[in-house]
Amino acid sequence: AQSVTQPDIHITVSEGASLELRCNYSYGATPYLFWYVQSPGQGLQLLLKYFSGDTLVQGIKGFEAEFKRSQSSFNLRKPSVHWSDAAEYFCAVGLSYDKVIFGPGTSLSVIP
Amino acid sequence: DTEVTQTPKHLVMGMTNKKSLKCEQHMGHRAMYWYKQKAKKPPELMFVYSYEKLSINESVPSRFSPECPNSSLLNLHLHALQPEDSALYLCASSPDPVLAGGLETQYFGPGTRLLVL
Repeated sequence: AQSVTQPDIHITVSEGASLELRCNYSYGATPYLFWYVQSPGQGLQLLLKYFSGDTLVQGIKGFEAEFKRSQSSFNLRKPSVHWSDAAEYFCAVGLSYDKVIFGPGTSLSVIP
Repeated sequence: DTEVTQTPKHLVMGMTNKKSLKCEQHMGHRAMYWYKQKAKKPPELMFVYSYEKLSINESVPSRFSPECPNSSLLNLHLHALQPEDSALYLCASSPDPVLAGGLETQYFGPGTRLLVL
């Protein structure tokens, strides 16, 4: 069965430190992969997506993610975290236009 | 215009009330979605409209009734809700289920925070 796991429920980093959020998926075919961010009480904002091509994807707000087929991973990274990055982050796999499987989410806290 | 708007932002209703949530997009998208999200959980799909026709109903109770009057507008009518229906209700849209070959990006609105008393 298709699934998305985000091993870290909660991560705390200091402002200015680097960040990596992990995402692993289980899917037989080439996946369409997304990272969304959700600030408290807000909707989901698309950070970046991978459909095909270059496995290193650049997104908004200085985020990037790398697709590694051999590891079934799509980890999100940012070289220097800002306090405004504190939010919930969801990795997702798109199976069809109307079927998106979301991971459980990783909550990011940023220490000033 | 690259956004999905939702009104109201907050809604408090009693279990006997009837209310409606509204979602609007002017990006020309032909698929629209309703999701329910509980705190600290990922969104759960409720309904999908494709070309203004209901294509998916994820076994949602009948006290939730979706409506898609036109390609830009999506409503969710609420009646006789239960306290456990309190959640953030998110609307999303995606460009074109047919032209995209079945895989495309969903764009989300800010949500309506619903509290049922």
